[in-house]
Amino acid sequence: NAGVTQTPKFRILKIGQSMTLQCTQDMNHNYMYWYRQDPGMGLKLIYYSVGAGITDKGEVPNGYNVSRSTTEDFPLRLELAAPSQTSVYFCASASGRAETQYFGPGTRLLVL
Amino acid sequence: GQQLNQSPQSMFIQEGEDVSMNCTSSSIFNTWLWYKQDPGEGPVLLIALYKAGELTSNGRLTAQFGITRKDSFLNISASIPSDVGIYFCAGQLDSGYSTLTFGKGTMLLVSP
Repeated sequence: NAGVTQTPKFRILKIGQSMTLQCTQDMNHNYMYWYRQDPGMGLKLIYYSVGAGITDKGEVPNGYNVSRSTTEDFPLRLELAAPSQTSVYFCASASGRAETQYFGPGTRLLVL
Repeated sequence: GQQLNQSPQSMFIQEGEDVSMNCTSSSIFNTWLWYKQDPGEGPVLLIALYKAGELTSNGRLTAQFGITRKDSFLNISASIPSDVGIYFCAGQLDSGYSTLTFGKGTMLLVSP
């Protein structure tokens, strides 16, 4: 049981480039989340999903897109990277209740 | 959006000392959670609280759900070097599905 896995671990992007952050969980969780964590700040919710085919915006969705075609995968897409998107991105999954959110190890993104 | 005020921002203590940190909110939460984040890792759930006034322990950690439902406290007794990390509180509004609001974290450093 690998839990929540994220790839890549670290990435440097140029302004305007695009990329997809991958997230996979093997716990058959319906709920999945994407957060960003800026230095000295708590986690801010970007997007979430309550099941395959269902996604919704969180607190800071601008500049991102998501899809949820399977229960296991919840990729996060950056279309036009901007320096303000430099952050650490965490994916999490949960069973029926939010208190059981399990986090991945994070993807560190630097946009120059 | 919801705001959680977490204090202190950081603590530097000697091994063996007890630690207290807290979170306050202007809004009521139905669930309070405490997470720990080790350097370079994702947050890991420590304690979950579901009822006002609830006091829950997990080893040397004890957390309480405030009576007003607007605050929560985490205590660590007899700290050890591996307690080093960032501790986050998080609140959830609804017992069903709803997103978490995170505090900005308390960085704990423990000197051997």
